[in-house]
Amino acid sequence: KQEVTQIPAALSVPEGENLVLNCSFTDSAIYNLQWFRQDPGKGLTSLLLIQSSQREQTSGRLNASLDKSSGRSTLYIAASQPGDSATYLCAVMDSSYKLIFGSGTRLLVRP
Amino acid sequence: NAGVTQTPKFQVLKTGQSMTLQCAQDMNHEYMSWYRQDPGMGLRLIHYSVGAGITDQGEVPNGYNVSRSTTEDFPLRLLSAAPSQTSVYFCASSTPSGDNEQFFGPGTRLTVL
Repeated sequence: KQEVTQIPAALSVPEGENLVLNCSFTDSAIYNLQWFRQDPGKGLTSLLLIQSSQREQTSGRLNASLDKSSGRSTLYIAASQPGDSATYLCAVMDSSYKLIFGSGTRLLVRP
Repeated sequence: NAGVTQTPKFQVLKTGQSMTLQCAQDMNHEYMSWYRQDPGMGLRLIHYSVGAGITDQGEVPNGYNVSRSTTEDFPLRLLSAAPSQTSVYFCASSTPSGDNEQFFGPGTRLTVL
C-alpha cells in the first residue's frame, strides 16, 4: 500500500530564506507527483506536477525534484515571502490514477 | 471555464439525515473523485470514477454512495449521516489524455451533529 510522508509537519522561517520541503513515498510505481498549496479554509491549488519520467519542474521561485528510485521529492522555495505562508501538500498518483496524499507541511514565513 | 464547482459550501446535518453533495466540471474530464480532509491529515479518497457509468471505491468508502450518469457531474450521497463524517469534502477531476493534473473544487464543509 502506497504511503506518503511529509517532513517537517510545520516550519517557521524568516522572510527571505530559501527552504526545502520533503516528501517521501513507499512505492516507486507512480504515474506522477503533484505539489499543492492550501490556504486556511480554502481548496487546493496545484503548484507543480512532475511526471514519473521527469526529474524536476520549475515555476517561478518554486522548484520540485523527483527521485523515483529512492521514493523522494523535494519542493524548494527560493527567497521566501510572507505570502508563501500556507500548507503544502504532496500527492502521488498510482498506476490506477488514484492520488495518495501526505499530511502536509504547514509553513509560516515571518516578516 | 468554471473548472470544478461544488455545492453547497457549508452544510449542517443531524445524525441520521441524508444529503447529496454536488460536484460538476466543465473541462470534459473523464476522471472525477471525492476526497475528505480531516484536521491534521491529508486528503483521503472516498470514491472515484474513470468515466460515465463507472465508479469504484477509494480508501474510505463506507457510508457514502456515488453515481456517474454524465461526464460533467459526480454527486456524493451520505446515506445516514454520522458525526464521524464531519469533514471538508473536495471533488477533483483530471484527464489521462494530458498529464493527468488534478483540478480541485473549493470544498464543502460538513458538520454532523
